[in-house]
Amino acid sequence: AQTVTQSQPEMSVQEAETVTLSCTYDTSENNYYLFWYKQPPSRQMILVIRQEAYKQQNATENRFSVNFQKAAKSFSLKISDSQLGDTAMYFCAFMKQDTGNQFYFGTGTSLTVIP
Amino acid sequence: NAGVMQNPRHLVRRRGQEARLRCSPMKGHSHVYWYRQLPEEGLKFMVYLQKENIIDESGMPKERFSAEFPKEGPSILRIQQVVRGDSAAYFCASSPLRTANTGELFFGEGSRLTVL
Repeated sequence: AQTVTQSQPEMSVQEAETVTLSCTYDTSENNYYLFWYKQPPSRQMILVIRQEAYKQQNATENRFSVNFQKAAKSFSLKISDSQLGDTAMYFCAFMKQDTGNQFYFGTGTSLTVIP
Repeated sequence: NAGVMQNPRHLVRRRGQEARLRCSPMKGHSHVYWYRQLPEEGLKFMVYLQKENIIDESGMPKERFSAEFPKEGPSILRIQQVVRGDSAAYFCASSPLRTANTGELFFGEGSRLTVL
């Protein structure tokens, strides 16, 4: 079975600063994907960033980047130049390859950006 | 291009009643997924459907829950004889065929079910 652990229930960061959200996972699979999703107060889940496990290079999307450590099964999200609109719940998720988009989500980290 | 549309956004039912949640996928998307989010938890997979087919229902409770995605019309998640433990947010997501196994999902805003 796959498990995803987010050990930081709540975090806060000053506007324009950098924050890192932690995520670890457990799996015996070799081919999989990892994701960070954002859930703002509107509750819609929005994909932030995606990483294929076979790629060594860390994914980057504008102000968002990941630190993917496959051997350690760690997948942290770094948000640079934090903005007020980044305030949301952030969920780390795991998906085995070729399983029809069946995700395993962590319990989330509530991030507040302070003006 | 409208996103994934879910309705109702909020639904209140008394114990023993039936709840029906509807999901219209994005235009051109043939795959629909239902996830449930209990309070203070992440989303949990329930079921994966294509038009007229259930592909994977390994996350669905064995009783009272059913899902369909007919040839015409929205996908329906049906919960019979609801109990308080069914209170949750139910999210629908969709994807086109080309991303059916790559995790590129588009989520709706969810339907929040409250059972009194």
